[in-house]
Amino acid sequence: NAGVTQTPKFQVLKTGQSMTLQCAQDMNHNSMYWYRQDPGMGLRLIYYSASEGTTDKGEVPNGYNVSRLNKREFSLRLESAAPSQTSVYFCASSEWGQQETQYFGPGTRLLVL
Amino acid sequence: LAKTTQPISMDSYEGQEVNITCSHNNIATNDYITWYQQFPSQGPRFIIQGYKTKVTNEVASLFIPADRKSSTLSLPRVSLSDTAVYYCLVGDINRDNQGGKLIFGQGTELSVKP
Repeated sequence: NAGVTQTPKFQVLKTGQSMTLQCAQDMNHNSMYWYRQDPGMGLRLIYYSASEGTTDKGEVPNGYNVSRLNKREFSLRLESAAPSQTSVYFCASSEWGQQETQYFGPGTRLLVL
Repeated sequence: LAKTTQPISMDSYEGQEVNITCSHNNIATNDYITWYQQFPSQGPRFIIQGYKTKVTNEVASLFIPADRKSSTLSLPRVSLSDTAVYYCLVGDINRDNQGGKLIFGQGTELSVKP
C-alpha cells in the first residue's frame, strides 16, 4: 500500500495564478484533511472532510477551496495564489471517528512569488 | 480542545533516555493524549496514544499521572535517527465527532548528538 500520496512534490507559482494540489489514500479511510506548515511552526488545519460528500473549514480556510472527489481523493485548490500561501501542504487521512490517529502524506512544497 | 504546552527544544546524546513533558491543564474527560513525530521534510507520524497511567509500544512509552494535566513521552536509548520534532496533542475521540480538529502546537525539537 502506498498510504497517502500527494502531487506535485514541489511547485512555484506567480501571484494570482491558480493550482490544485492532489491527494489520494488507499487505506479506505473515510476522513481526509489538508494542513499547512510554515517554517518553525506546527501544522494548521485548512479544511477537512469527515466522509465522502462532506467538507468543513478548519483553522485557516481563507484563500482555499476543497473537493472530496470520491472516498480516495481530496483536492485543495488555490484560486488566486498569494505570497502568504507559500508553505508546505500536507494531506492526511484517518478512520471514521479516529481523527486523533492520522496518516500523513509526504507534503507539497509551494512557493508563491 | 485543550491547549498544550511543551518545551520548544531539547538536546540529548546517543544512548540516553529522553523525556518530553507536555502540559494540558484543561484536558477534558473524553480527551486522549496523542504524540506525533515529524522528521525534516516529512509528514508527521503517529507514535503513541494514551488516556491514563502508562502506555508502551515498540517506539516509546507514555506516562500520564492521575490528574491527567500533563503527560511525558519517554524515548529509551535515543539514536541520531530520533532527531525530530515531537508534537503533543489532546483531543476528543468521541466517535460521533465528525471533525478532524487536531491542533498541532509548535512541538518540541529534539536534537540527538553523537
